[in-house]
Amino acid sequence: AQSVTQLGSHVSVSEGALVLLRCNYSSSVPPYLFWYVQYPNQGLQLLLKYTSAATLVKGINGFEAEFKKSETSFHLTKPSAHMSDAAEYFCAVSGRYSSASKIIFGSGTRLSIRP
Amino acid sequence: DAGVIQSPRHEVTEMGQEVTLRCKPISGHNSLFWYRQTMMRGLELLIYFNNNVPIDDSGMPEDRFSAKMPNASFSTLKIQPSEPRDSAVYFCASSSLGESRNYGYTFGSGTRLTVV
Repeated sequence: AQSVTQLGSHVSVSEGALVLLRCNYSSSVPPYLFWYVQYPNQGLQLLLKYTSAATLVKGINGFEAEFKKSETSFHLTKPSAHMSDAAEYFCAVSGRYSSASKIIFGSGTRLSIRP
Repeated sequence: DAGVIQSPRHEVTEMGQEVTLRCKPISGHNSLFWYRQTMMRGLELLIYFNNNVPIDDSGMPEDRFSAKMPNASFSTLKIQPSEPRDSAVYFCASSSLGESRNYGYTFGSGTRLTVV
């Protein structure tokens, strides 16, 4: 079984500051990991994904995430926050060898940007 | 590509009434997922289909909820009778079978359901 835990339901940073959103996963098999972003009144959009190639994954809008097996983590970072980054962010996991296509989502972290 | 299309975008109904939410997945995608999002419970997977066949409906809250996928291009989620606690945003998502692990899902814009 797979699951993800997002640490912190709400994160607030100043514009231009580092963004760090934390995600830890639990999986009995090597995982595929995802970050999704949800802007107000919209559906979820895929931000980036880890599927076993490079452990440092680059996504859209300057975001990146690093897969650390020893820490079972997949934290999302961005060097410099922009006002447009304010949104809800979801970490998600799927089992690599599972025949099922189900993806399990975390509870989400709301990112606020202070001017 | 028009993406995953959900209708209606907003639905307000009275308690006890039947509600039907609709979803058109991306052409060529053969996995379809229904999610419910609330402040209290976050994003919950209700049911998903592979090749029009329901694979896992363990997330369907109770018998008042039912979902169908009569063909590859259409799915419905029905609530009968509706209750105020069903108020939520319902999302449909689709992917290619076996490829969601690599590419994730494509989500629709959601249906905001309010039961009064």
